[in-house]
Amino acid sequence: NAGVTQTPKFRILKIGQSMTLQCTQDMNHNYMYWYRQDPGMGLKLIYYSVGAGITDKGEVPNGYNVSRSTTEDFPLRLELAAPSQTSVYFCASSTPTGGQETQYFGPGTRLLVL
Amino acid sequence: EDQVTQSPEALRLQEGESSSLNCSYTVSGLRGLFWYRQDPGKGPEFLFTLYSAGEEKEKERLKATLTKKESFLHITAPKPEDSATYLCAVQAAGTASKLTFGTGTRLQVTL
Repeated sequence: NAGVTQTPKFRILKIGQSMTLQCTQDMNHNYMYWYRQDPGMGLKLIYYSVGAGITDKGEVPNGYNVSRSTTEDFPLRLELAAPSQTSVYFCASSTPTGGQETQYFGPGTRLLVL
Repeated sequence: EDQVTQSPEALRLQEGESSSLNCSYTVSGLRGLFWYRQDPGKGPEFLFTLYSAGEEKEKERLKATLTKKESFLHITAPKPEDSATYLCAVQAAGTASKLTFGTGTRLQVTL
């Protein structure tokens, strides 16, 4: 299993541009999450999904959108990029079975908005 | 609101010098407390889950413990390869497994 994969690894955007961060997991997990990590700050939840077709906002959803059409994929869309969205983005997945709800993280996407 | 506070922010140890990292938390109904390790430029790597006060888990030189208000990550005789940022997170009951993270402890182990 590859686990959780994310693309791209690094991207530079100009202010106002849009992009989609890709996330795929091959563990057949129901739950998927998007976090952002800024220097000196804890990971903050942007959006999450408990299954295909079901998404919900996390702590910092403004400026982002998500969709979940399949179990495997959970793309994060940035519309009208702003410098405040410069961050490292992590996707994670988990499955609430057998009392084990551990989230497994991808390698991250580093985004710079100039 | 769930909160997680980790201390110290940074810790420098010599190889073999044991120490502990602290994670204090407030949560409305703890479902689980998680420890992750994060290397520079990488995603968090799962270490432990603790579910109830008094529980302990060990892995190599690491041992995690849990009380009703805090968790400790004890590092015994650390090696340079233990250098990383250690993250603590809590999961509240009925939250679709969402995690609230602390800001981490940056550990450096020198020869």
